[in-house]
Amino acid sequence: SQTIHQWPATLVQPVGSPLSLECTVEGTSNPNLYWYRQAAGRGLQLLFYSVGIGQISSEVPQNLSASRPQDRQFILSSKKLLLSDSGFYLCAWRSAGGTYGYTFGSGTRLTVV
Amino acid sequence: GQQVMQIPQYQHVQEGEDFTTYCNSSTTLSNIQWYKQRPGGHPVFLIQLVKSGEVKKQKRLTFQFGEAKKNSSLHITATQTTDVGTYFCAAGAGSYQLTFGKGTKLSVIP
Repeated sequence: SQTIHQWPATLVQPVGSPLSLECTVEGTSNPNLYWYRQAAGRGLQLLFYSVGIGQISSEVPQNLSASRPQDRQFILSSKKLLLSDSGFYLCAWRSAGGTYGYTFGSGTRLTVV
Repeated sequence: GQQVMQIPQYQHVQEGEDFTTYCNSSTTLSNIQWYKQRPGGHPVFLIQLVKSGEVKKQKRLTFQFGEAKKNSSLHITATQTTDVGTYFCAAGAGSYQLTFGKGTKLSVIP
């Protein structure tokens, strides 16, 4: 069966520090991968999606970046965090055919102080 | 890009009462999905609707897709405290991504 792992669960980082959040999927190949951010417990904002290794599409301009170094690995990064980067970050995957719903990871609660 | 409006933002119901959330789009949707997010948790996929006028049921939950494929609803009959959470609709915009509504937060008073 397919599983998705996302870590860490919580993170407190100072302004200006770097960020690296990792997401891995097991039990499937060539998944579509997504990073979402949820602020204040409401609304899901798509940040990045990827349909293959090295292929990243950005949905909103920000100081975040994403990479997909392996088929089932998706990384969200920042060189310098801003206070406004605080939020709940969710990784999700979907089969390449796109006929089923998203499966979300358990999320990372990031607080920038 | 695709936008979906979801109403209401909040709903407080007495346990046993019914609950409905609505999702509307100005454009025709290829499909619509519904998710539930429990407090402190992550969204969990409930169902996908594809066909015009489609109705699907999951126990006390009834999902409908409008005839024009521009709106959808989720109805819960006789709410229980386990139904508490935020319900999101998400519209299909091609095969790569979904656009999520802002969600309806349901509170159930025991």
